[in-house]
Amino acid sequence: DQQVKQNSPSLSVQEGRISILNCDYTNSMFDYFLWYKKYPAEGPTFLISISSIKDKNEDGRFTVFLNKSAKHLSLHIVPSQPGDSAVYFCAARPIYSGAGSYQLTFGKGTKLSVIP
Amino acid sequence: KAGVTQTPRYLIKTRGQQVTLSCSPISGHRSVSWYQQTPGQGLQFLFEYFSETQRNKGNFPGRFSGRQFSNSRSEMNVSTLELGDSALYLCASRLGVGAQETQYFGPGTRLLVL
Repeated sequence: DQQVKQNSPSLSVQEGRISILNCDYTNSMFDYFLWYKKYPAEGPTFLISISSIKDKNEDGRFTVFLNKSAKHLSLHIVPSQPGDSAVYFCAARPIYSGAGSYQLTFGKGTKLSVIP
Repeated sequence: KAGVTQTPRYLIKTRGQQVTLSCSPISGHRSVSWYQQTPGQGLQFLFEYFSETQRNKGNFPGRFSGRQFSNSRSEMNVSTLELGDSALYLCASRLGVGAQETQYFGPGTRLLVL
């Protein structure tokens, strides 16, 4: 059972336009969400995160929105640049309890292509 | 500050062999996690170590094991390799003291089992 789903395997966007990547989750115990970007032959690079107590977090061109009732989050990239072309992974982590473990559950990724 | 480093970057083994992968976390980070990435399954959690103790383990067979040393460096071992173990193995580190921390990933070790 996939607890974090990225239903769009790929997305193409024109340079300068907005890219919207979506992610759905099923586990109500998730309370912290992260987006990572991954280029081929490299490890994932952290982009932005959001706690479940917020509904929006912004960092430069990247904004993450969280809709807890719908168990949905999205990553907006504005404006999109060719260098943004990569695979984007949504990840979620369950409620942390002191010395408990930290285990990220990832979606399968969305390949973003930004066309010049 | 140097990032997470993993060695070797590439490895070719044959079925039945065993392999050991190494990970050096970011300086000061005490938690190290391992993930397996395959085209079909995406990134899947293997295990997490904190202060030389395994905190959590994902749904992988006992052939997958790991350990962490006092300097927080970690190794992952896979015994009796199978073709399906071909994957990118990623190590990630974090401080390990906060409830909401970011994990930082290394470049990965690409393992090919023939």
